Amino acid sequence: AQSVAQPEDQVNVAEGNPLTVKCTYSVSGNPYLFWYVQYPNRGLQFLLKYITGDNLVKGSYGFEAEFNKSQTSFHLKKPSALVSDSALYFCAVAPYGQNFVFGPGTRLSVLP
Amino acid sequence: KAGVTQTPRYLIKTRGQQVTLSCSPISGHRSVSWYQQTPGQGLQFLFEYFSETQRNKGNFPGRFSGRQFSNSRSEMNVSTLELGDSALYLCASTGLAGRETQYFGPGTRLLVL
Repeated sequence: AQSVAQPEDQVNVAEGNPLTVKCTYSVSGNPYLFWYVQYPNRGLQFLLKYITGDNLVKGSYGFEAEFNKSQTSFHLKKPSALVSDSALYFCAVAPYGQNFVFGPGTRLSVLP
Repeated sequence: KAGVTQTPRYLIKTRGQQVTLSCSPISGHRSVSWYQQTPGQGLQFLFEYFSETQRNKGNFPGRFSGRQFSNSRSEMNVSTLELGDSALYLCASTGLAGRETQYFGPGTRLLVL
């Protein structure tokens, strides 16, 4: 079965420090991987996706993610966190021919 | 382009009632997916429609149903509401079904009393 794990419910980081939100996946075939962000009382906003090619994917708002096939991971990163980055982050995988599978979400708090 | 719109944004219903939620995808998008988001269960897939046909269905009881119209607008219906149906219902659209990026609407928050 396809699955996505986000091992940390909560990540706290000081403003200006680098941040990492972790994601691991289990899917057959070549995965399409996505990161979304959700602000309070809002829908999910697309940040970035990996389909193929370069393992480092750059996305919106200065975020990037590193695909690691051997570790089946797709961690979200940002070199310098902003207070406004505080939100709920979801990793998702899109298996071929099937619906998206989302991880449980990680709440990021950036402290001033 | 206008984004995905969902109506209504908020709903309060009582147990046993039924509810219909609406989703208008991004212009030109033909696939609409629906999700239920709750604090305990996270994001759970309900169903996906493409060109008026249901392509995938999640593990929800038959009380949850949906449809898509020829203009790609979609509705989902929940009959005989239960307290546990209280959730944020999100719809997402893509140009084609499959693994394209999904773009989400703001959601409809349903409260069942």
